[in-house]
Amino acid sequence: AQSVTQLDSHVSVSEGTPVLLRCNYSSSYSPSLFWYVQHPNKGLQLLLKYTSAATLVKGINGFEAEFKKSETSFHLTKPSAHMSDAAEYFCVVSDRRDKIIFGKGTRLHILP
Amino acid sequence: DSGVTQTPKHLITATGQRVTLRCSPRSGDLSVYWYQQSLDQGLQFLIQYYNGEERAKGNILERFSAQQFPDLHSELNLSSLELGDSALYFCASSVGAALRNTEAFFGQGTRLTVV
Repeated sequence: AQSVTQLDSHVSVSEGTPVLLRCNYSSSYSPSLFWYVQHPNKGLQLLLKYTSAATLVKGINGFEAEFKKSETSFHLTKPSAHMSDAAEYFCVVSDRRDKIIFGKGTRLHILP
Repeated sequence: DSGVTQTPKHLITATGQRVTLRCSPRSGDLSVYWYQQSLDQGLQFLIQYYNGEERAKGNILERFSAQQFPDLHSELNLSSLELGDSALYFCASSVGAALRNTEAFFGQGTRLTVV
């Protein structure tokens, strides 16, 4: 069975400081992993995805994530937060049968 | 603008009623996905169609059904509505069939309120 756990429901960082959003997964198969962002009153937008190629995945807007099989983690990072990064972020796991499981989401707050 | 169009944007209906949500995918996209986002359940994948055929099924209730038409638009039918069905329903579309090999683009959602 698959599952995905986002370890923090809210994260607050100051503008210009690093961002770390944590995600752990469980999957019986080699998973595909995704991070999506949802801005208020908007649909979801794909930030990046891991599909068994390079373990360090670079996405849009300066975000990246590292797939660590030994830790079953896929944490999302960004070196320097911007006010426009304030949004909700979802970690998603998909197995070979394309069953899709969303994490509960992490709301990122950026402090001026 | 993602290119995925969902109608209506808002819908208010009474318990026990039936509603139909509509999704027009991006031009050229063959896959349509439906998701439900509610405060208590979070985001849940409901169902995926690819080129008119059901491809993957998630946590879709038996009271709900969907289809994809020859012109590739999709409809999600929700019947015998309950208060707990109040949620934001998203549609997404992609060119390919598998999310690991393609990118899904999301519409802005239909907000359903059941009173």
